[in-house]
Amino acid sequence: GAGVSQSPSNKVTEKGKDVELRCDPISGHTALYWYRQSLGQGLEFLIYFQGNSAPDKSGLPSDRFSAERTGGSVSTLTIQRTQQEDSAVYLCASSPRYSSYNEQFFGPGTRLTVL
Amino acid sequence: SQQGEEDPQALSIQEGENATMNCSYKTSINNLQWYRQNSGRGLVHLILIRSNEREKHSGRLRVTLDTSKKSSSLLITASRAADTASYFCATDSGGYNKLIFGAGTRLAVHP
Repeated sequence: GAGVSQSPSNKVTEKGKDVELRCDPISGHTALYWYRQSLGQGLEFLIYFQGNSAPDKSGLPSDRFSAERTGGSVSTLTIQRTQQEDSAVYLCASSPRYSSYNEQFFGPGTRLTVL
Repeated sequence: SQQGEEDPQALSIQEGENATMNCSYKTSINNLQWYRQNSGRGLVHLILIRSNEREKHSGRLRVTLDTSKKSSSLLITASRAADTASYFCATDSGGYNKLIFGAGTRLAVHP
């Protein structure tokens, strides 16, 4: 079946512009996660959705970052007034439900470059 | 902040050799997972070991977990050029099953 998809795959923007990144999780997966990976680094947790609600937003680095999820499916991560330090690969993952023993299925990521 | 730390940061071996990567973490965990990443993009889940398990096998992969030392190792036996990738350990101690990743080990397997 289809895996997690993300769009766009690459995004180049100018400093100060807003960007929207999209994630389509695997159908039926209720848990959705956003992570960020800076060059040569591990992944940094941003936000977790269970259904449409986000019980854990602790990883969002500033109030310029926001995310929403509608219909328990598609999620959008929005970065307002982008800065050069926002340049990174943004990865989305989904899993069937909250559980300590579920693997997460990752999308291919969106590479964001802020000039 | 990163929970896990992998070592070595980079590993270069010949095909057929074994590759061992280590991971240390700081807090108590429910489970520890290993992921592989090719070309800096999507991650592929390799194996999950629960906190009450000490060793797990999957094909050419062997994972050990020592909760007393807060460490894990990933062994890839009889490596192949296709194993060239970055390998990350991740722990779930952040709650809600959010994963806390280390910085990864870059493995290069030469034909």
